[in-house]
Amino acid sequence: NAGVTQTPKFRILKIGQSMTLQCTQDMNHNYMYWYRQDPGMGLKLIYYSVGAGITDKGEVPNGYNVSRSTTEDFPLRLELAAPSQTSVYFCASRERTLQSSYNSPLHFGNGTRLTVT
Amino acid sequence: DQQVKQNSPSLSVQEGRISILNCDYTNSMFDYFLWYKKYPAEGPTFLISISSIKDKNEDGRFTVFLNKSAKHLSLHIVPSQPGDSAVYFCAARGAGTASKLTFGTGTRLQVTL
Repeated sequence: NAGVTQTPKFRILKIGQSMTLQCTQDMNHNYMYWYRQDPGMGLKLIYYSVGAGITDKGEVPNGYNVSRSTTEDFPLRLELAAPSQTSVYFCASRERTLQSSYNSPLHFGNGTRLTVT
Repeated sequence: DQQVKQNSPSLSVQEGRISILNCDYTNSMFDYFLWYKKYPAEGPTFLISISSIKDKNEDGRFTVFLNKSAKHLSLHIVPSQPGDSAVYFCAARGAGTASKLTFGTGTRLQVTL
């Protein structure tokens, strides 16, 4: 089991360029999430998905797009990169739980460090 | 609006002593709380959690306490070990089926010899 795999690990973009951050998981988890972490800040939710074909916005979705065509993959797209998008991006997944008193934990990838100059 | 707050950015503790990491929240709708640990260049990993119907949960050296009236939780690590040196994030689950987590800003724990 590889868990959650993110590629690339590092990337430098020029302002206005576009790119896709890849995320794949091999645990057959329904739920997947994209977070960003800025220095000295907590993780902020960008987008999430509760299953293939279903996505929804998180706290900070502006400037990003996602798709979920399969259970395994949840790519994050930046169309017009801006310096404000310089951050570390984490993809996470978790299995669905039916008990309200228990929450299956998030499994995180190792992150993509993105710099926009 | 920071709904989950970790007011101590850093903490230094001697090996063998107790580490206490604190977390406050403002949203009374949060019903599940988790602690994650993060090493440099890695993603966060789950450490321990607690449901709002409990006030304590223990797992080995790690214990989480929840005080709902004060909207406060804490993570105790006893005894602290050098390998515990990491950034610790508190997270809270909001309502809804997607169980989105809101994270605090993290506390960097350094365990010294």
